[in-house]
Amino acid sequence: KAGVTQTPRYLIKTRGQQVTLSCSPISGHRSVSWYQQTPGQGLQFLFEYFSETQRNKGNFPGRFSGRQFSNSRSEMNVSTLELGDSALYLCASSLARGLNTEAFFGQGTRLTVV
Amino acid sequence: GEDVEQSLFLSVREGDSSVINCTYTDSSSTYLYWYKQEPGAGLQLLTYIFSNMDMKQDQRLTVLLNKKDKHLSLRIADTQTGDSAIYFCAERSGGSYIPTFGRGTSLIVHP
Repeated sequence: KAGVTQTPRYLIKTRGQQVTLSCSPISGHRSVSWYQQTPGQGLQFLFEYFSETQRNKGNFPGRFSGRQFSNSRSEMNVSTLELGDSALYLCASSLARGLNTEAFFGQGTRLTVV
Repeated sequence: GEDVEQSLFLSVREGDSSVINCTYTDSSSTYLYWYKQEPGAGLQLLTYIFSNMDMKQDQRLTVLLNKKDKHLSLRIADTQTGDSAIYFCAERSGGSYIPTFGRGTSLIVHP
């Protein structure tokens, strides 16, 4: 069974550009969550999607957005990139939304903004 | 809001036991997790414990929960160089589907 796949693995963008990251969850998983990981802030929750609907949102500006498709694949978009957006972006998928469901993480996309 | 605290670094000698500590503030935490992140990789769930349990053992891993003090620990017996990684503590409260993570403890295992 394939794990969570995130593409691309590495990305370099310049300030002001926009970027789209992709996450393919484990087959059959319907919940996808996104996290930003930085050395200073640790793991910060961005948003969660379930059945194509955003169910939870973290405390990030509107430049950060996402969506989920009918096949549960998810994308996140960051517009008007800032240097501080440089981070490892992690996606996690889970079968459902219950508290006892395990979240499986992808390897992440390393975004560098220059 | 919820807060999860961990020390940033732990250095141990190969073969010794490692104990990684975590404290949390949300008294309604229902599930508490330990994740491992190796360099260049995502997070891997190591183990979890329900809030109504005191201890859980899984091979070399022992999780201890002191609910009164809101303190969680992960003990790794016979620590190996392959255990070098960042270990994240996380908690999920009854009202949320989203876990709150600590900042991670970097475990360094030296010969």
